[in-house]
Amino acid sequence: IAGITQAPTSQILAAGRRMTLRCTQDMRHNAMYWYRQDLGLGLRLIHYSNTAGTTGKGEVPDGYSVSRANTDDFPLTLASAVPSQTSVYFCASSASGGGTDTQYFGPGTRLTVL
Amino acid sequence: GQNIDQPTEMTATEGAIVQINCTYQTSGFNGLFWYQQHAGEAPTFLSYNVLDGLEEKGRFSSFLSRSKGYSYLLLKELQMKDSASYLCAVRDSNYQLIWGAGTKLIIKP
Repeated sequence: IAGITQAPTSQILAAGRRMTLRCTQDMRHNAMYWYRQDLGLGLRLIHYSNTAGTTGKGEVPDGYSVSRANTDDFPLTLASAVPSQTSVYFCASSASGGGTDTQYFGPGTRLTVL
Repeated sequence: GQNIDQPTEMTATEGAIVQINCTYQTSGFNGLFWYQQHAGEAPTFLSYNVLDGLEEKGRFSSFLSRSKGYSYLLLKELQMKDSASYLCAVRDSNYQLIWGAGTKLIIKP
């Protein structure tokens, strides 16, 4: 593994189903983030984690949950998917979460909720 | 509220120079980032400014004026591979990135 990986690449999901998007990084970065990207809108932060064992809510957290059991993994769960959650989801990581910190992005998961 | 404004789309000619502007209003300022995003791909880091002035990196330069809440990305000697969206993002007082919607740059031969 090099950098950040996300799985699945794409998914079509029926409304009401539960779905977990996976994100793994091998850069030993402390901070990790989940964003959604919708046409005509900027990237919007869903949840973040500044270090293993801690998480925080971003701009649009409703309907999503995260966990950070270790440094490398940061899964995003949709408990009961709704069509408005159709989007492209990007996971990102950064060394520390502050200062001149640069975020590095995974390839994204394209999710369609019908 | 917090706001990042960029033009939606710009067109330029191969070999030319283009300037993509970004204005921002955020709660606090801890740096401004420019990312490039090709269609269907992830954003990739281009530049970072935290002090006023110009940062040059090869064909790309980025300028910041904190007093005006303004930045621009300057791309020189445009190549077809520069066709992409360019995202402006500001790190606010909570050290979170606030993102603009991006500027789609179309390069014509």
